[in-house]
Amino acid sequence: EPEVTQTPSHQVTQMGQEVILRCVPISNHLYFYWYRQILGQKVEFLVSFYNNEISEKSEIFDDQFSVERPDGSNFTLKIRSTKLEDSAMYFCASSDGRGLTGELFFGEGSRLTVL
Amino acid sequence: AQSVTQLGSHVSVSEGALVLLRCNYSSSVPPYLFWYVQYPNQGLQLLLKYTSAATLVKGINGFEAEFKKSETSFHLTKPSAHMSDAAEYFCAVSVDNDMRFGAGTRLTVKP
Repeated sequence: EPEVTQTPSHQVTQMGQEVILRCVPISNHLYFYWYRQILGQKVEFLVSFYNNEISEKSEIFDDQFSVERPDGSNFTLKIRSTKLEDSAMYFCASSDGRGLTGELFFGEGSRLTVL
Repeated sequence: AQSVTQLGSHVSVSEGALVLLRCNYSSSVPPYLFWYVQYPNQGLQLLLKYTSAATLVKGINGFEAEFKKSETSFHLTKPSAHMSDAAEYFCAVSVDNDMRFGAGTRLTVKP
């Protein structure tokens, strides 16, 4: 069964460093998303991406964050200069966008620890 | 924008007892509704989804949920709790491929 894959599963970085989290969405999907979950808290929407541009972003998604689809398969989240509060689990998701079910398919997550 | 409210951040039941996790949604258009389960240190697993077909939706692991438009609710139930059901449960609403999650309910199952 097709699935969303994320790498790395866990990354530890120093505050101020740049981090890139990678995702390979399901191949025929058109909508891509990043969500964040700080330990013990709710799953928060960061950004959605369609047709090679951001379609919506939350207030969390400030100038330190960027997303890119550099080729036909990868979807990346970059944090330019990490802060302690960026420590969280980051989930990538994709959707076929046909609106029939509205279902998003999630990856297993990338845990980011900022020291 | 659409949103969900999960009543009760923590629910504790005895093994074999009824599980009821509450979710109310807010949406200006007919939504799609979902329940996800998250086990410790794991990702989000889809339990069940409502996509405007039957209002009573059956999911995995014996869970089901009923969409009640008049109450704007989508509560999750299971007749008999099992120890393995202990996890975090998230209700989610999706409109136009835009999904938002509730704050989650942690289910504890006592032996």
